Amino acid sequence: SQELEQSPQSLIVQEGKNLTINCTSSKTLYGLYWYKQKYGEGLIFLMMLQKGGEEKSHEKITAKLDEKKQQSSLHITASQPSHAGIYLCGAPMVGAQKLVFGQGTRLTINP
Amino acid sequence: KAGVTQTPRYLIKTRGQQVTLSCSPISGHRSVSWYQQTPGQGLQFLFEYFSETQRNKGNFPGRFSGRQFSNSRSEMNVSTLELGDSALYLCASSGSGYREKLFFGSGTQLSVL
Repeated sequence: SQELEQSPQSLIVQEGKNLTINCTSSKTLYGLYWYKQKYGEGLIFLMMLQKGGEEKSHEKITAKLDEKKQQSSLHITASQPSHAGIYLCGAPMVGAQKLVFGQGTRLTINP
Repeated sequence: KAGVTQTPRYLIKTRGQQVTLSCSPISGHRSVSWYQQTPGQGLQFLFEYFSETQRNKGNFPGRFSGRQFSNSRSEMNVSTLELGDSALYLCASSGSGYREKLFFGSGTQLSVL
């Protein structure tokens, strides 16, 4: 089955700093989803990347998909306390109607 | 549109009991997926239903089952609860399910004592 590895697993940054979270797949990526989760709650959809080289931005969050490296990165510029939470990447399995997810990256923003 | 609704929000059960969790998808969505989330294993796929049929199944024992009704609402059942079943159970819906973004509910936090 497809595996998604996220790095780092945990990240603590000072408010205002930039940060990057990576998601690497062991198999070919046919699209990738980024979600954010507050502890103990549901997942909030952030972005969906469907083509290699695709880059999307929403407010201060930018995500990019590198098909050749089978990797996606999520970049947050000028982090704010509202960015704190768990970020998860998910990818569709080939031939199956389901998403598999990485283990998540726990982001803490220090004021 | 109302989002995905899961009930109950919290549940406490004892070993050996059974439990039923409910999920109401977004209106018009026909695919409902269930996931189990634990600190150790992360988010694990349980099963997916589309038009009342189970279309995909994850690697969970037969104690975990589900069903979907004609109005797309779904239930999942866990029988003979074990301590390791303590988790956040998340339901997600989408239109057709295939390579579509999933809309998640807030989850049901199950504690097995």
